[in-house]
Amino acid sequence: GENVEQHPSTLSVQEGDSAVIKCTYSDSASNYFPWYKQELGKRPQLIIDIRSNVGEKKDQRIAVTLNKTAKHFSLHITETQPEDSAVYFCAAVNDYKLSFGAGTTVTVRA
Amino acid sequence: EAGVAQSPRYKIIEKRQSVAFWCNPISGHATLYWYQQILGQGPKLLIQFQNNGVVDDSQLPKDRFSAERLKGVDSTLKIQPAKLEDSAVYLCASSLGPGNEQFFGPGTRLTVL
Repeated sequence: GENVEQHPSTLSVQEGDSAVIKCTYSDSASNYFPWYKQELGKRPQLIIDIRSNVGEKKDQRIAVTLNKTAKHFSLHITETQPEDSAVYFCAAVNDYKLSFGAGTTVTVRA
Repeated sequence: EAGVAQSPRYKIIEKRQSVAFWCNPISGHATLYWYQQILGQGPKLLIQFQNNGVVDDSQLPKDRFSAERLKGVDSTLKIQPAKLEDSAVYLCASSLGPGNEQFFGPGTRLTVL
């Protein structure tokens, strides 16, 4: 089955700085890579996703890159704000099954 | 558009007791998922339904967990008997189809004492 590894497990950044989270996956058949944000005590919510035929996607301050050859993808948050503090999960989808990474706790310091 | 509904939101039981969770997906979503999220970990898929059929239940501990989606809409997840290690948040999610964006419910926080 698919194995998704996510790093770092915790990330503390100064407000206004950038945050980068990296994930690797094992199954070359995975073709869809969503990122979820989960605030404390709340449900995971999709913030951005990328499909295997695209190398990069951007939505305002959030961007995701995908390197299919190396089987890794990354989330980039620029100009971080306090409301960006949350746990971020990467995931990889193979046909129908979504496998999550272990999560990165992001803390934005004011 | 109404989101995914789950109940109860919280449940506290003693080990060896039984418990059931209910999920109502977004209208029109054919695919329904149950996840277990242990504190500090990412959600782990327990079972996935396509309409009323099971697509994947490879990580469901079938000796104690069961789930059904009889009419292809609502779903229930049952644990019988519960163990201490079952303490977790149980998330239900739905999507239009496999590989589409999944929308999560608020979850049920289960504590087994």
